[in-house]
Order: sequence, then C-alpha cells, then structure tokens
Amino acid sequence: TQLLEQSPQFLSIQEGENLTVYCNSSSVFSSLQWYRQEPGEGPVLLVTVVTGGEVKKLKRLTFQFGDARKDSSLHITAAQPGDTGLYLCAGAEDTGNQFYFGTGTSLTVIP
Amino acid sequence: EPEVTQTPSHQVTQMGQEVILRCVPISNHLYFYWYRQILGQKVEFLVSFYNNEISEKSEIFDDQFSVERPDGSNFTLKIRSTKLEDSAMYFCASSDTGGWYGYTFGSGTRLTVV
Repeated sequence: TQLLEQSPQFLSIQEGENLTVYCNSSSVFSSLQWYRQEPGEGPVLLVTVVTGGEVKKLKRLTFQFGDARKDSSLHITAAQPGDTGLYLCAGAEDTGNQFYFGTGTSLTVIP
Repeated sequence: EPEVTQTPSHQVTQMGQEVILRCVPISNHLYFYWYRQILGQKVEFLVSFYNNEISEKSEIFDDQFSVERPDGSNFTLKIRSTKLEDSAMYFCASSDTGGWYGYTFGSGTRLTVV
C-alpha cells in the first residue's frame, strides 16, 4: 500500500487569499488525480495529470505534477467560500491501475 | 450530467447481519469500483470490477465481502456477518477508461453497524 501524504492537513483562510496544497509520495505515479469532497458526498473529480511537469488550470485552480511524477500541488487563487471542502489527491502507480487516495486537506474559506 | 446512484443513503444493521449496498453506475461505463471511508479517515480502495469479474482487490476485501453485477445496470457490494468496524461510508464509482482519467463517484451509503 502506497502512502500519499497531503499537507497541510487543515487550512483555514480568509476569502480572497491564495493557497497551495501539496501531495507527496515516495512512489512514481503514472496518473494522479485531484478530487474535492463535501461532507456526506462522494469525491468529485477536478483534474487528472499524467505527464511529469504538467500544469493544468481550471478557473482559479492550478494543478502541477512534479517532474519526477512523485508529487503534485494544487494552487487556488483568490479563494472563495465555495472552495471550502476536503481536497484529495489519488495516484496510480506505473505497474497497476489501483488508485490510492491521499490523507486529504480540509480547506475552510471564511467570508 | 450522468451520475452514479447509490442506495440506500443510510443503512443501520446489527452486528452479524448481512447487508447489500446497491449502485447503478453510469450506463456506458465498463469499470466499477467500491471504496470506503471510515469517519475521519482517508478513502480506501476495496475492489475493482471489469468484464464481470474482479480485476483487483485490496487487503480489506476479504471473504466477508463480495461483489456482483446481477443485471446490466446494478453493481452490488455484499458484506456478510457485519462487524462494528465495518461502519463507514461506502462509495461506488465507475469509469469508462479504467480509472485512468478519473472516476465518477456516487454519493455513498453510510453504513452503521450497531
């Protein structure tokens, strides 16, 4: 079982601030996904990255996959209360298609 | 937008009883999954299913668990002889690409074993 560690575990910021969430592992991943989960709901896919160094943008969210494909970051610009939720990364190794989820970052954006 | 539907949303059962959690994946998806999330913990992979058979399973998915696609639309998870530690949110997910480009998750079934 591979471990994806996310940091920080909890983050509380004011509306309008910027933030970055990190997802790190000692394993190389062939595919890495970011999800957002709200209480009582299932995770919702935000993005998938598959190429080392890849950067994807989704409105105010910027996702980056590390060159070595062992880490990823999610940057949110001008956070809004609607961004509040649990952000999860999930990765699949080169040798299999089983996705492992990270420990999660719980984000609260205060109006 | 197509969605994965899970029923029931909440199930309470007595320890030792059998439960069946039901899922209707997205109709043109071929890959199906069960994950669980114990309260306050991370999402854990249980099993993947493709072409009417299990393709991968985790250590959690022991003989107590089984999956079935009884018809062309439903995908079920059966837990025999439930234990207190089986209490969790159980999420069904489906994919058309083997999960490579992401899963679509259902809203989950909250299982409470008392």
